[in-house]
Amino acid sequence: NAGVTQTPKFRILKIGQSMTLQCTQDMNHNYMYWYRQDPGMGLKLIYYSVGAGITDKGEVPNGYNVSRSTTEDFPLRLELAAPSQTSVYFCASSSQGPIYEQYFGPGTRLTVT
Amino acid sequence: QQQVKQSPQSLIVQKGGISIINCAYENTAFDYFPWYQQFPGKGPALLIAIRPDVSEKKEGRFTISFNKSAKQFSLHIMDSQPGDSATYFCAAKGSGGSNYKLTFGKGTLLTVNP
Repeated sequence: NAGVTQTPKFRILKIGQSMTLQCTQDMNHNYMYWYRQDPGMGLKLIYYSVGAGITDKGEVPNGYNVSRSTTEDFPLRLELAAPSQTSVYFCASSSQGPIYEQYFGPGTRLTVT
Repeated sequence: QQQVKQSPQSLIVQKGGISIINCAYENTAFDYFPWYQQFPGKGPALLIAIRPDVSEKKEGRFTISFNKSAKQFSLHIMDSQPGDSATYFCAAKGSGGSNYKLTFGKGTLLTVNP
């Protein structure tokens, strides 16, 4: 199993541009998550999904959109990129239980200038 | 509103020493408390976790101590090694069958000197 994969690894965007961060998991997990990580601030939940077709906002959803058309894929869309969106983005997935563990991807480092 | 408070922000320990990282939470509905370890350039990975019905869990050199009445839990790393140098995050999960979101602390950067 590849686990959780993310593309791209790095990206530089100009202010106002848009992009999609890709996330795929091959563990047949129902739950998927997007986090952003800023230095000294921990991991902040952007959006999450409990299954195909179902998504919900996390703690910091403004400026982002998601979709979940399949169990495997959970892309994160940035519209009109702003410098405040400079961060490292992690996708994660987990099963419904009984052992609860979130598996994280390797991250995407995004810089908006 | 920070629901999980983690301290210290950074920690330097000598090889062979004990590393201790503390977390405090506010929401009594939390029912699962994991610790994640993150190496530079990598995603976090589950290290060890505990449920509130036990006061301690040990896996090798890593131990979680849990104090339900004080709403605190801590990670102890015995015989700390340079390879343990990483960022550690505590987290907490809300209860209920449909709540699988984690709330993370801000992280502790651990450096173990050889």
